[in-house]
Amino acid sequence: EDQVTQSPEALRLQEGESSSLNCSYTVSGLRGLFWYRQDPGKGPEFLFTLYSAGEEKEKERLKATLTKKESFLHITAPKPEDSATYLCAVGGSYNTDKLIFGTGTRLQVFP
Amino acid sequence: DAGVIQSPRHEVTEMGQEVTLRCKPISGHDYLFWYRQTMMRGLELLIYFNNNVPIDDSGMPEDRFSAKMPNASFSTLKIQPSEPRDSAVYFCASSLVLGQVTDTQYFGPGTRLTVL
Repeated sequence: EDQVTQSPEALRLQEGESSSLNCSYTVSGLRGLFWYRQDPGKGPEFLFTLYSAGEEKEKERLKATLTKKESFLHITAPKPEDSATYLCAVGGSYNTDKLIFGTGTRLQVFP
Repeated sequence: DAGVIQSPRHEVTEMGQEVTLRCKPISGHDYLFWYRQTMMRGLELLIYFNNNVPIDDSGMPEDRFSAKMPNASFSTLKIQPSEPRDSAVYFCASSLVLGQVTDTQYFGPGTRLTVL
């Protein structure tokens, strides 16, 4: 059964304190791994798509990496505006139409 | 493009009443997805359509829930009769079809439903 596990559930950082969020997945043939950001009261906002192990993508203070078993979202020198819930999702070869979502990591960055 | 549009943004109703949620996908997208999000269960896929045809409704909790997509630019999710446990945020998302890989889904702002 395809599965996505995110850790930690919650993370509190001081402004400028770099860290990483983890997304472990079990899927029969990865067809895409997605990172979303969700602010309170809003819909998930697309950040990155990764398709193959070794792939990396960056956007401002965020960098996403992918291995055969997990993905990391690295946050460098975070700012309070980076506070949000970060969701990871995968598409598998059993059904490439659908995404399987993790439960998210709630990030709080304090000034 | 305006992105995925959902209405209403907030809905408060009483138990037993019919509720209709509406969604306009991004123009040109072939897929439309309905999700429900709660603190306890996270983001759950309810149903999705491809070219206006329902493909998988295995996530629809029970017969009280129904969804339609009469054309490429409009979909509805109906709950009749509504119950307090249906209280949640309902999201609509749309995507293109890429075949061998899964395409990015773009989400709407959601409808926060409260059933009293």
